[in-house]
Amino acid sequence: IAGITQAPTSQILAAGRRMTLRCTQDMRHNAMYWYRQDLGLGLRLIHYSNTAGTTGKGEVPDGYSVSRANTDDFPLTLASAVPSQTSVYFCASSEFLGDQPQHFGDGTRLSIL
Amino acid sequence: GDSVTQMEGPVTLSEEAFLTINCTYTATGYPSLFWYVQYPGEGLQLLLKATKADDKGSNKGFEATYRKETTSFHLEKGSVQVSDSAVYFCALSDTSGTYKYIFGTGTRLKVLA
Repeated sequence: IAGITQAPTSQILAAGRRMTLRCTQDMRHNAMYWYRQDLGLGLRLIHYSNTAGTTGKGEVPDGYSVSRANTDDFPLTLASAVPSQTSVYFCASSEFLGDQPQHFGDGTRLSIL
Repeated sequence: GDSVTQMEGPVTLSEEAFLTINCTYTATGYPSLFWYVQYPGEGLQLLLKATKADDKGSNKGFEATYRKETTSFHLEKGSVQVSDSAVYFCALSDTSGTYKYIFGTGTRLKVLA
């Protein structure tokens, strides 16, 4: 079934550790996004990518980095995790940037202790 | 800046009741408007969309009309089912080709048998 695969499903991590959340899509979408979902705040965009080789900062990019080496993969890295990064992280994609329906993965639940 | 405001939840209804979830927006341009649904443990799924004033989006018995004069996009369903229990997100996207995609904070719906 076509869609977005995120891994891991959940993770508990010690503060200060490095962590990479994986995201792969098989729809050949140009645009990809990373969001965090926190209670009462909805979804906030962390980083996005318009196409392979290009990335951009969203609303809350500090403490996170991304890369887009190819069309299908869009990993999110926390270089040195802090407790405020405890959240549920969603990867999404759309055919093009902006005015398009977005397709979401099932999320990664990350707890930083 | 652009924003989306949704009614606070949770909304609790009996099966076959009428549903309205309010959504209003502020935008400098002419955004497209979306409703997404999130079932427990899953990512968001597109429910319906409308791209211009007076457009009506509909899917699975849900409807929403793009009202430019009241800057609203309220979600309605005539007869809810227990399976409609989920969190509903209103969203807008900028149409000028940027990454802007603003989500509301979500409204939890619980339908009782």
